[in-house]
Amino acid sequence: ETGVTQTPRHLVMGMTNKKSLKCEQHLGHNAMYWYKQSAKKPLELMFVYNFKEQTENNSVPSRFSPECPNSSHLFLHLHTLQPEDSALYLCASSQEPGGAGGYTFGSGTRLTVV
Amino acid sequence: QKEVEQDPGPLSVPEGAIVSLNCTYSNSAFQYFMWYRQYSRKGPELLMYTYSSGNKEDGRFTAQVDKSSKYISLFIRDSQPSDSATYLCAMSAGGNQFYFGTGTSLTVIP
Repeated sequence: ETGVTQTPRHLVMGMTNKKSLKCEQHLGHNAMYWYKQSAKKPLELMFVYNFKEQTENNSVPSRFSPECPNSSHLFLHLHTLQPEDSALYLCASSQEPGGAGGYTFGSGTRLTVV
Repeated sequence: QKEVEQDPGPLSVPEGAIVSLNCTYSNSAFQYFMWYRQYSRKGPELLMYTYSSGNKEDGRFTAQVDKSSKYISLFIRDSQPSDSATYLCAMSAGGNQFYFGTGTSLTVIP
């Protein structure tokens, strides 16, 4: 484990379902991120939280809703997703906002929308 | 035009070979450069981090940044089967946004 734990590892959901992805870090990092990784595409930044405050929403559809209750936990709430939302969702954290010192990534949640 | 271009491969080399992985970019403001390694079913893992131009060496890995050519490289010496993974470059001008390449898939054959 890298210090960033994501659950569940795999998720299959119907387009009308509501589910949540969970991310937890106990590295004492001050910034947390959600990234989407699709085959043959670069990682796409979705959301950024610095010191628990959302500082970036990278034009993400409203069917994705992040939540950061404290500096160690990050959630991604999902509802009425589309098949094209199937991807690997990665959570990351960094010591400093901006991630200039590098990110620590979790292992991801493999999401399949049917 | 993509911010970052990276040849997806796949790249296949024999054990012990020197591997060269490369990325080009278009934004001259980029000054933070990183390489990540991603094993199958795992998240990316930070390998090398470089600020501005120059070389950085860590064991069998060397990262090079040529800002004049907007070109970065990762060299792996004495490659091992355990180096088989996807390698991602990432870069930033500062702020919250890091731009990633699509990744190069590497297989080192014993």
